[in-house]
Amino acid sequence: QKEVEQDPGPLSVPEGAIVSLNCTYSNSAFQYFMWYRQYSRKGPELLMYTYSSGNKEDGRFTAQVDKSSKYISLFIRDSQPSDSATYLCAMSVAAGNKLTFGGGTRVLVKP
Amino acid sequence: EAGVVQSPRYKIIEKKQPVAFWCNPISGHNTLYWYLQNLGQGPELLIRYENEEAVDDSQLPKDRFSAERLKGVDSTLKIQPAELGDSAVYLCASSLDGTGGSEQYFGPGTRLTVT
Repeated sequence: QKEVEQDPGPLSVPEGAIVSLNCTYSNSAFQYFMWYRQYSRKGPELLMYTYSSGNKEDGRFTAQVDKSSKYISLFIRDSQPSDSATYLCAMSVAAGNKLTFGGGTRVLVKP
Repeated sequence: EAGVVQSPRYKIIEKKQPVAFWCNPISGHNTLYWYLQNLGQGPELLIRYENEEAVDDSQLPKDRFSAERLKGVDSTLKIQPAELGDSAVYLCASSLDGTGGSEQYFGPGTRLTVT
């Protein structure tokens, strides 16, 4: 069993819909949680970075962390075709330590 | 501000040949990471440097892979000899330091094809 599980998708939504992504993890030592966006043939781009349980909002993006359930989520409001990409969750046990990634969820936003 | 720079972007070699990848981190970033990303998977750490020191190389296959970060800035990752299974994207990332500024920023990657 992988330390971080993520549904590979693809997740297809109409433009303007809310995209809901999530990851589950098994290692309770994870303390830092991130979401990256990766376009085809590009490197991962950092979207959200959180430390504690709870919600964090940045523009159209909201990240949620529930450490008691070992579950993290990313919501994208008012989705646009330009949001079509693979979204990777990542986490680490300490600041600056190696990131353990999920396998990524491919998202398609249709005009 | 310039991001993480990697070269080459693409490399095709025959098996048993050597290959090297180069990374220039974001200016001022002390921590540098090399990750490997296979198709359809998330990146996996190969090695982490804090300045010139390799502080985590537990996932680096040392029989054929080597890395260096002279002067604590640029880094080179080498494979010798390459095998078919080494075909993947090699990503470099950097962070300000290992504590307070620990967000990791990735370069575009080098896509290696071994034939």
